[in-house]
Amino acid sequence: AQSVTQPDIHITVSEGASLELRCNYSYGATPYLFWYVQSPGQGLQLLLKYFSGDTLVQGIKGFEAEFKRSQSSFNLRKPSVHWSDAAEYFCAVNTGGFKTIFGAGTRLFVKA
Amino acid sequence: EPEVTQTPSHQVTQMGQEVILRCVPISNHLYFYWYRQILGQKVEFLVSFYNNEISEKSEIFDDQFSVERPDGSNFTLKIRSTKLEDSAMYFCASTEGGATTANVLTFGAGSRLTVL
Repeated sequence: AQSVTQPDIHITVSEGASLELRCNYSYGATPYLFWYVQSPGQGLQLLLKYFSGDTLVQGIKGFEAEFKRSQSSFNLRKPSVHWSDAAEYFCAVNTGGFKTIFGAGTRLFVKA
Repeated sequence: EPEVTQTPSHQVTQMGQEVILRCVPISNHLYFYWYRQILGQKVEFLVSFYNNEISEKSEIFDDQFSVERPDGSNFTLKIRSTKLEDSAMYFCASTEGGATTANVLTFGAGSRLTVL
C-alpha cells in the first residue's frame, strides 16, 4: 500500500533563512504529488503539485518542490522564509484513484 | 475565488446522538470528498462521491457514516450514534474532474465535531 513519510514533526527556521521540508513516498510507480499548507483553524490550501514533466515545480507564496524519482522524494523548499509561513505543511500522494493519502505533517515555526 | 463552504464550523454533541455536517462544494466540481483530522494527527480519507454514488471509501467509513447529495448544491456527511472517538475536524473537499485536475483537492475550512 502506498504511504507518505514526513520525517520531521516540526522545524524551526529563522525569518529570512532558507527552508526545506522533506517528503518520501512509497509506491511502485510515480504518483501525483502535492504539498498543502494548513494555517491554524483553517482548511488545507494547495501550494503546488507534480503530475509529470519538469521535476522542479513552482507553487504559490514562493515555494517550490523537486521530484526525485531515484529517492522517491518530493521535498518542499523556500529560499527565504517569512513569519507568515508559520503553519503545518502536508505532503500528499494520489495514485490515480479517488483517495489522496497525506503525510503526518511538519509544523513550521519561524523565529524572528 | 470559488470556495468550499462547510457548516457548522463547530458542533458539540452528546455521545449516541446523530450529527449531520454540511458542505457546499464548488459549483462546477464533479467529485466530492470527506476527510477527517483527529487533533494532532494526519488528515485521513473517509469517502469520495461521484455521480450520486460512493466511488471509494476507507475502512474508517463504516455503517455509522453515510453521505448524501440531497440537492444540486449540498453534500452532507451523517454520523449516526456518535462516539467519543468521532471527535475530529471534518473537511469537505471537491475536485473538478479530468485527467490533470481530478486529484487537485479544494478544501473547506472544516467542521470541528466534539463528542462529549
